[in-house]
Amino acid sequence: DQQVKQNSPSLSVQEGRISILNCDYTNSMFDYFLWYKKYPAEGPTFLISISSIKDKNEDGRFTVFLNKSAKHLSLHIVPSQPGDSAVYFCAASEMGGGSNYKLTFGKGTLLTVNP
Amino acid sequence: NAGVTQTPKFQVLKTGQSMTLQCAQDMNHEYMSWYRQDPGMGLRLIHYSVGAGITDQGEVPNGYNVSRSTTEDFPLRLLSAAPSQTSVYFCASSASLHEQYFGPGTRLTVT
Repeated sequence: DQQVKQNSPSLSVQEGRISILNCDYTNSMFDYFLWYKKYPAEGPTFLISISSIKDKNEDGRFTVFLNKSAKHLSLHIVPSQPGDSAVYFCAASEMGGGSNYKLTFGKGTLLTVNP
Repeated sequence: NAGVTQTPKFQVLKTGQSMTLQCAQDMNHEYMSWYRQDPGMGLRLIHYSVGAGITDQGEVPNGYNVSRSTTEDFPLRLLSAAPSQTSVYFCASSASLHEQYFGPGTRLTVT
């Protein structure tokens, strides 16, 4: 049973436009969410996170939105740049559940930003 | 700081062979973990440790052993390799949940 779902395996956008990557989760105990970015032949790197007490977190060109009632989060990248081309993983955890070092990852979305 | 280092980068094993994947971090992080990444599967947690001497199982622990004798090192052992263990393995460390730092990965092929 997949608890974190990224239903779009790939996304292609033009440079300068907005990229929107989506993530859904099923476990209502998840209360902290993260996005990681991964280039080929490298380990994932942390991008941005959001706690369930917020509905938005912004860091430069990256914004994450959380809709708890829909169990949905999204990552917006504006403007998109060719260097953003990578696989993006959504991850979730239960901070208050005693398992707060365990991350559950989605399968990832490959973003391609075309010049 | 070197961050999280993993050795080897590549390894080919025959079925039934054993080996240890090495992971070390120089950030004095208490938490370390091992993930495997398979095509179309994302990253799945194998084992993790919240400090020296403390380890626990993740989502897919079967076929793997770990130990944590020091804060810096967290080796992953395959006692009898199987083709199903062909994967890319990532080690990660963190001082808190939120930002886990990943190593560059070990690509393992079991024939």
